[in-house]
Amino acid sequence: SQTIHQWPATLVQPVGSPLSLECTVEGTSNPNLYWYRQAAGRGLQLLFYSVGIGQISSEVPQNLSASRPQDRQFILSSKKLLLSDSGFYLCAWSVWQTLSYNEQFFGPGTRLTVL
Amino acid sequence: GENVEQHPSTLSVQEGDSAVIKCTYSDSASNYFPWYKQELGKRPQLIIDIRSNVGEKKDQRIAVTLNKTAKHFSLHITETQPEDSAVYFCAARGPGSNTGKLIFGQGTTLQVKP
Repeated sequence: SQTIHQWPATLVQPVGSPLSLECTVEGTSNPNLYWYRQAAGRGLQLLFYSVGIGQISSEVPQNLSASRPQDRQFILSSKKLLLSDSGFYLCAWSVWQTLSYNEQFFGPGTRLTVL
Repeated sequence: GENVEQHPSTLSVQEGDSAVIKCTYSDSASNYFPWYKQELGKRPQLIIDIRSNVGEKKDQRIAVTLNKTAKHFSLHITETQPEDSAVYFCAARGPGSNTGKLIFGQGTTLQVKP
């Protein structure tokens, strides 16, 4: 069966520091991968998605970036964190199949606090 | 692009009552509509979904209905229990792309009072 991992689970970082969050998926090949951010008490904001190695699409302008160095690895980064980057970061995956409807499943999330 | 509106933003019911959450979407070509439940501090969990070729789907106490003409779909929870308390998100996905992107509604906080 498929599983998705994220780490770290929680992170407290000072303003201006760098960030690296990692997401890995097991038990599937060539998944679509997604990064979402959820501010406290708010909805799900899609940040990036990827349909393959090295292929990244950005949904919103921001000081974050994403990379996909391997088929089942998705990384979210920042060079300098802002206070507004605080939130719950969720990685998700789905698998595209012809005539499929792509159920999307979420990882356990990383709770980031920027002070 | 697709836009999804979700109502109400908060819903409080007595244990045993039914709860209904409604979503409308803008793109008539959308063909997949999942519902997620998110408990406090946890990840969203897929609880039920419906395809555009189906009008209703049930799974025990939860059901989803789809009205393609009106472009809206609803989540129905019967015999609510305190453990149903959570934030519920609807979503829609359009056809014709291999990205699998979902457009989410704003969420509904459901409180079930014992």
